[in-house]
Amino acid sequence: LAKTTQPISMDSYEGQEVNITCSHNNIATNDYITWYQQFPSQGPRFIIQGYKTKVTNEVASLFIPADRKSSTLSLPRVSLSDTAVYYCLVGDLAYGGSQGNLIFGKGTKLSVKP
Amino acid sequence: DTEVTQTPKHLVMGMTNKKSLKCEQHMGHRAMYWYKQKAKKPPELMFVYSYEKLSINESVPSRFSPECPNSSLLNLHLHALQPEDSALYLCASSQGDRYNEQFFGPGTRLTVL
Repeated sequence: LAKTTQPISMDSYEGQEVNITCSHNNIATNDYITWYQQFPSQGPRFIIQGYKTKVTNEVASLFIPADRKSSTLSLPRVSLSDTAVYYCLVGDLAYGGSQGNLIFGKGTKLSVKP
Repeated sequence: DTEVTQTPKHLVMGMTNKKSLKCEQHMGHRAMYWYKQKAKKPPELMFVYSYEKLSINESVPSRFSPECPNSSLLNLHLHALQPEDSALYLCASSQGDRYNEQFFGPGTRLTVL
């Protein structure tokens, strides 16, 4: 069971790039890294997923070093609407009875200021 | 349709009541989930249905009873709940082979008096 560790909170200003790092020292060979965003009183929203190196989509980038013991979610030019809690999850893509991919850690509360 | 819908949005019930939460998706997803989320805490997995069969029950008390009538619907039957069961109940779905990419509904805010 790969446990994840994230900063509890982060502050940023509009227009800045924000990088949120997640540690997962016990990541297994078959594990993928997934990030979710959650606004208050809403369900989480899938942001991005990766296995190694770099993944980019229209919302964010995910950087994963070669040892895969950590990952960094990068949000380019944040706005006030990016204020939310960001969760890092690590687990096997094929569920197969593993609990790791469905366990949310404590998350990082990002506050974007004007 | 890329939505997961949940009804009702809000529910207030007494400890002796029986009620049900409903969840629906029309994305063809074959895995569906129930989570419980307390204020300022991460979602906690309760149940997983995979291809309409209960595959995971995370030691949830029997006063919570899940049901998956078909591949698009998921219910959570509630009976004899306690005040500490008050929380946001989230439903999610995913493709049968992409469990990490889950689509969540807006949740049902449950208050137990």
